[in-house]
Amino acid sequence: KAGVTQTPRYLIKTRGQQVTLSCSPISGHRSVSWYQQTPGQGLQFLFEYFSETQRNKGNFPGRFSGRQFSNSRSEMNVSTLELGDSALYLCASSFAPPGDTQYFGPGTRLTVL
Amino acid sequence: GEDVEQSLFLSVREGDSSVINCTYTDSSSTYLYWYKQEPGAGLQLLTYIFSNMDMKQDQRLTVLLNKKDKHLSLRIADTQTGDSAIYFCAETLNAGNMLTFGGGTRLMVKP
Repeated sequence: KAGVTQTPRYLIKTRGQQVTLSCSPISGHRSVSWYQQTPGQGLQFLFEYFSETQRNKGNFPGRFSGRQFSNSRSEMNVSTLELGDSALYLCASSFAPPGDTQYFGPGTRLTVL
Repeated sequence: GEDVEQSLFLSVREGDSSVINCTYTDSSSTYLYWYKQEPGAGLQLLTYIFSNMDMKQDQRLTVLLNKKDKHLSLRIADTQTGDSAIYFCAETLNAGNMLTFGGGTRLMVKP
């Protein structure tokens, strides 16, 4: 069974631009969560989607948004990029909440110049 | 401050056992996880333990949970150079699916 896939793997943007990242969960998984990893703040929860509905949201500004499609694929969008948004963005999928084991993708490395 | 804390660094010799420690503060934690991250890669799930368990063994990995002290440990037996990585412990609370991570422990295995 294929793992979680994320596209693109690497991305370079400039301040003020917006970006969309994509995540395809493991086949059969219906829950997708997003995390941001930075050297300073470590791994932080962004949001979680299940059956196209956002179940939880972390403490991030409204510039960070996401959605989930009927096939469980998910996208996250960051508008008006700031230098501090440079990070590794990780997507995780699980069969269903609550508490089901989450499997992570390889991440998208976003660099904001 | 962080809800989950780990020491930053651990160095061991190949063939020795490694013990990575983690403390958490929320007594309502339901699941506790260990993930491994190699350079440039995502997180690989190693093992997990339910909060009503004390110990779980999975091949070279042993997880110990002390609920009274809110202390979790991961023991890697016969540590190999391929085990060099950053190890994260994480918890989920109650009925949630949100993972709260520790800062990670960098394990260096010397040949």
